[in-house]
Amino acid sequence: EVLLVQSGAEVQKPGATVKISCKVSGYTFTDYDIHWVQQAPGKGLEWMGLVDPEDGETIYAEKFQGRVTMTADTSTDTAYMELSSLRSEDMALYYCATDYPSRIPTFVFWGQGSLVTVSS
Amino acid sequence: DIQMTQSPSSLSASVGDRVTITCRASQSIASYLNWYQQKPGKAPNLLIYAASSLQSGVPSRFSGSGSGTDFTLTISSLQPEDFASYFCQQSFTTPYSFGQGTKLEF
Repeated sequence: EVLLVQSGAEVQKPGATVKISCKVSGYTFTDYDIHWVQQAPGKGLEWMGLVDPEDGETIYAEKFQGRVTMTADTSTDTAYMELSSLRSEDMALYYCATDYPSRIPTFVFWGQGSLVTVSS
Repeated sequence: DIQMTQSPSSLSASVGDRVTITCRASQSIASYLNWYQQKPGKAPNLLIYAASSLQSGVPSRFSGSGSGTDFTLTISSLQPEDFASYFCQQSFTTPYSFGQGTKLEF
């Protein structure tokens, strides 16, 4: 069974950094990319970027470039998304998703989401 | 970047209705188009991939069509569990953008 299990809710102050984890099981972690998607309250889905766990290569959406860092730890089959300089607009649910089994960005399997609240 | 535009943004319908949602890409994406359903508090659920292929386990009342820039998702006979939000997503090139969503309501 493929599972993506994310870390819990976070409350951070403006200007702080948040790091969310996504632990993968059920397939070979290094064979498929991990993508991150933002969903602000009551809003749509926004693709943030991806990390290739095999070599750590990343592609970020321009909107998040410079503030986001996506990494993967192959020793624990866990992907991470770090977002810095948090502001109120970053208050959202963050999902990880994998492109297993297709190897194209078609997301069958998702994490449960991690809620980030930004508040002073 | 490729912009994905869905219409309508919301839709009122009844059980048994036939419903169509459209998605337009700002440039050609061939058939690299996926459709997702999302219910409140849940992650999105893949319905259709590659514009017209039904994901395993998804009821056959859902269908997709189109290629190039214009795509449609059709629900042939609405069931109570279909009242949700629907998103299209292009998988042609980064950034892998989503449409803004269509909320299907009673």
